[in-house]
Amino acid sequence: EVQLVESGGGLVQPGGSLTLSCAASGFTFRSYWMHWVRQAPGKGLVWVSRINGDGSTTNYADSVKGRFTISRDNAENTLYLQMNSLRAEDTALYYCVRDLQWLGGDYWGQGTLVTVSS
Amino acid sequence: DAVMTQSPLSLPVTLGQPASISCRSSQSLVHSDGNTYLNWFQQRPGQSPRRLIYKVSNRDSGVPDRFSGSGSGTDFTLKISRVEAEDVGIYYCMQGTVWPPGFGQGTKVEIK
Repeated sequence: EVQLVESGGGLVQPGGSLTLSCAASGFTFRSYWMHWVRQAPGKGLVWVSRINGDGSTTNYADSVKGRFTISRDNAENTLYLQMNSLRAEDTALYYCVRDLQWLGGDYWGQGTLVTVSS
Repeated sequence: DAVMTQSPLSLPVTLGQPASISCRSSQSLVHSDGNTYLNWFQQRPGQSPRRLIYKVSNRDSGVPDRFSGSGSGTDFTLKISRVEAEDVGIYYCMQGTVWPPGFGQGTKVEIK
């Protein structure tokens, strides 16, 4: 059974940093693109970032470029999102998603909540 | 970017009646590989999104056959043949053809 379990969310002050993790199981993790998608409270879904199977290619939404870094550890089957210079508008539930673009996001985690506030 | 526009944004439906959600893209979603990467997701209250339909019209395993997807190019539709109480939630279309991937605003389906 495919499982994606996010962790690492919490309350952080503006300008602070946080690292999210997504533990994957039930599939050959290294074979898949992985994505982060976020959802601000009461709002819609927004794509944030993606990384290919071996970690050599990464892409970001303009809103997070230069502040967020996506990475993965295929030995540990874990996806990461390092978030720096956090802003109030980064407050959201962050979802880990398997291959959103080509497979259409067939599996999603339960999400981890990031709150940026003083 | 391909802008995805859903309508309506709110859809009150009587139990047992049909429902239809439109999703229009500002650009053609036909990829150079011949596929159209247009998907539909359901998000029930308090839950993560769940994919219902992939590549326009392919229903996911476990999705009731009252859900169907259709369309081509820039215009797509999700139909529920007979709405049930468990269908309450927000429905999103999402495209993966044009960079970057993008979602519609969401359509809230509720029971009248």
